[in-house]
Order: sequence, then C-alpha cells, then structure tokens
Amino acid sequence: GAVVSQHPSRVICKSGTSVKIECRSLDFQATTMFWYRQFPKQSLMLMATSNEGSKATYEQGVEKDKFLINHASLTLSTLTVTSAHPEDSSFYICSARDKGRVIVGTEAFFGQGTRLTVV
Amino acid sequence: KQEVTQIPAALSVPEGENLVLNCSFTDSAIYNLQWFRQDPGKGLTSLLLIQSSQREQTSGRLNASLDKSSGRSTLYIAASQPGDSATYLCAVANSGYALNFGKGTSLLVTP
Repeated sequence: GAVVSQHPSRVICKSGTSVKIECRSLDFQATTMFWYRQFPKQSLMLMATSNEGSKATYEQGVEKDKFLINHASLTLSTLTVTSAHPEDSSFYICSARDKGRVIVGTEAFFGQGTRLTVV
Repeated sequence: KQEVTQIPAALSVPEGENLVLNCSFTDSAIYNLQWFRQDPGKGLTSLLLIQSSQREQTSGRLNASLDKSSGRSTLYIAASQPGDSATYLCAVANSGYALNFGKGTSLLVTP
C-alpha cells in the first residue's frame, strides 16, 4: 500500500510558540491531503482539506489563522499550529489520497500521527 | 451531516472468541467505508475497505460487511488473540473523500 510519512511523531512546545507538522506521501502523488485532530477518548475530527496549489478548506470551528496549512507540492503538506496553547494539545494526523487512482472510493492512507503537548 | 456511531464502546473477551463490532451511519450516500485499527498513542492501520457497491470484504480473520441502505456495517473478528487488543475505528467517506469517524470500540482480548 501507499506510504504517508508524518513528522514529528511527538513534540512538546511552550505556550505561545509555533509548531510545524509535515505530511509526505512517499510513493505516490497526493492532490488532496486531509488533516484530522483527535482529543482523548474522542473520534478523529476533520480539521481541513488541503489541495495542492490552492488554499485549504477549513471545517467549521477551526481557526484558519491559527492552523496554517500549506500544500505546495503533490507530496508535501504542512500544518503549522501558531501561538500554541495548552488546549491545542492533541493528536494530529494527516491523510492523503493517491492522485493516480481517479476512480471514486479510493482508500485513504494515513500518516503515523503527531502527539502535540503544549506546556 | 454524516454521523457515525460505534457499538459497543468497549469490549473485553477471552482469547479464542469470535466477536462482532458494529458501526452505523446516518447518510447512506457514501463512497466507501473503512475499518481501522489504532493502537494506544499510534496512528491508524487500515484493515478493510468496502466500496459502496460491495457487500463485504475479508482479510484473514477479519470480515467486514456493509448494508448501505440500512446504514450499517459490522466487523467480524474470528478466533480473537491478545494481539488484537486495540481500538477499532469505523470511518465513512462521503463527497470530497474526507472521512467521518466513529468514536471507536476499545477491544481487550485476555489470554
């Protein structure tokens, strides 16, 4: 199956600083990448949809100025949590779909996730 | 808005038992449904993908069924093993291909 690499796997940062999370598709091109967030004992919730070369689409309630998404190439999307606060501590995970598989219903491939702790 | 519900929230069984995890969804206009496994503090491992036109998929001891019209899916695990202990997530893809996840079923298989 296709491989999605997410980095870092864990990060601890001070309140007020910014953190960048990278999501790479290693062996396929991803026109679209998705960013999810998971709080403890909750389901994964979609934060935003990232399309290569265009602005990301954010879900309701997700602050676009706080969670900056850049999808500059077909293999890389980044999520930057700006001015992080303790309530941003969560598990962030990205997903990508293979551009080469044009039929609907293609499988979603996930990165390993990033555990963010803001102290 | 698609809502995905998983029952039970938690399950504990002795090794060797067959078990069924349930997933229901409110909007039947789906593209596909995926079952994932998530180990504590880890990412997602895709187990089975069922396209909207399919009724079931099998992989080893796992069998997933899909009844789109009634908005239900089940994941059947045969001859459970302690290594199967994890959280199992059901996720549904509607238009746009983003996934809507249930809260998961936390499975513990005891030796």
